[in-house]
Amino acid sequence: GIQVEQSPPDLILQEGANSTLRCNFSDSVNNLQWFHQNPWGQLINLFYIPSGTKQNGRLSATTVATERYSLLYISSSQTTDSGVYFCAGPTQGGSEKLVFGKGTKLTVNP
Amino acid sequence: DVKVTQSSRYLVKRTGEKVFLECVQDMDHENMFWYRQDPGLGLRLIYFSYDVKMKEKGDIPEGYSVSREKKERFSLILESASTNQTSMYLCASNDGSRVNYGYTFGSGTRLTVV
Repeated sequence: GIQVEQSPPDLILQEGANSTLRCNFSDSVNNLQWFHQNPWGQLINLFYIPSGTKQNGRLSATTVATERYSLLYISSSQTTDSGVYFCAGPTQGGSEKLVFGKGTKLTVNP
Repeated sequence: DVKVTQSSRYLVKRTGEKVFLECVQDMDHENMFWYRQDPGLGLRLIYFSYDVKMKEKGDIPEGYSVSREKKERFSLILESASTNQTSMYLCASNDGSRVNYGYTFGSGTRLTVV
């Protein structure tokens, strides 16, 4: 199955700063998703982004499928952005089942 | 909004007990999933169901079984709970179409086996 690697593992920011999180995957994927897990454990789907770029408010994501990576951009970070960000891709081919990276833990300080 | 509801937020069970974790989704999704999340190990897939009565094993099915008798409900069963099954259990669903492929997760059940 595919391997999903995320970097950096930890990130500490001051409120208002911008950041870029990276996700590398070992094989081509047709289903790449980004999630945010808040400090209470709830996982929220941020993007389904097999290729191209999407934006949602201060967050945007870009997947370059041919080069097997995806980036999540957070602009003007807020304390509520704190938590763990996960990317996930299908275990193989067109599988519905996702394998998750280990996550990037983001702390935004006031 | 799609809702995935897990019946319990916290559970404490004794070793050897049979444990049922329930998950219900309200958007007629074909696919439902059970993951467990452990520090240092991340999220790992236990079981996947793509239709009523249909299931596939995930990466770590040992010690677990599942039941999907109705489309909206997917149950995870720990036949004989053990302390190494203490974990956060997360249920998810998606509609399986290419229009909107994203997973929706429930809020999780933190299970402690003593």
